[in-house]
Amino acid sequence: GQQLNQSPQSMFIQEGEDVSMNCTSSSIFNTWLWYKQDPGEGPVLLIALYKAGELTSNGRLTAQFGITRKDSFLNISASIPSDVGIYFCAGGNAGNNRKLIWGLGTSLAVNP
Amino acid sequence: KAGVTQTPRYLIKTRGQQVTLSCSPISGHRSVSWYQQTPGQGLQFLFEYFSETQRNKGNFPGRFSGRQFSNSRSEMNVSTLELGDSALYLCASSPGAGGNYEQYFGPGTRLTVT
Repeated sequence: GQQLNQSPQSMFIQEGEDVSMNCTSSSIFNTWLWYKQDPGEGPVLLIALYKAGELTSNGRLTAQFGITRKDSFLNISASIPSDVGIYFCAGGNAGNNRKLIWGLGTSLAVNP
Repeated sequence: KAGVTQTPRYLIKTRGQQVTLSCSPISGHRSVSWYQQTPGQGLQFLFEYFSETQRNKGNFPGRFSGRQFSNSRSEMNVSTLELGDSALYLCASSPGAGGNYEQYFGPGTRLTVT
């Protein structure tokens, strides 16, 4: 099935560093969603973006809806050990019968 | 508001058996989506139900089926279990209409097939 290109696939960083990850697509989306999943749990919604160019923050997390509507970025500032997990992006479009298209995830490890 | 609940949380079945998993969405949500997740494979979309009708379907064999009840609760069934069906099965609740595409996940059901 269709998937978003999410990169990087994995990251290993030092506590306190900033993190950037992104998702790209050949299709246009009306919505970009960012989730975090802890081991053995369901993904938790971090940020929802609904407007091209929109920049939204949630604590140390900041996400942007790309102006072309084909990409989105997530930044984490001053990482801490509890940021460890897998981050997923998802794109939504009414033309796709509201079915979300998902990236394969970015696995983040933080060295204290 | 109560979150999404899934039962059971853990399940061990034998190859060839069938299994039914249950999902109760957030109150007021009319859409339930089901995903299969295996290690390193991301979220594989199974199907989505909206107002008791299957609205979207992924690329899984017919052994995987689902349904939704009038109270929006949903069940998925896997018949003739195979070893490869061992996975975390997640359901996600969503309003299902309007401009809100946000999905809220339950904790998942961990299925092990032996």
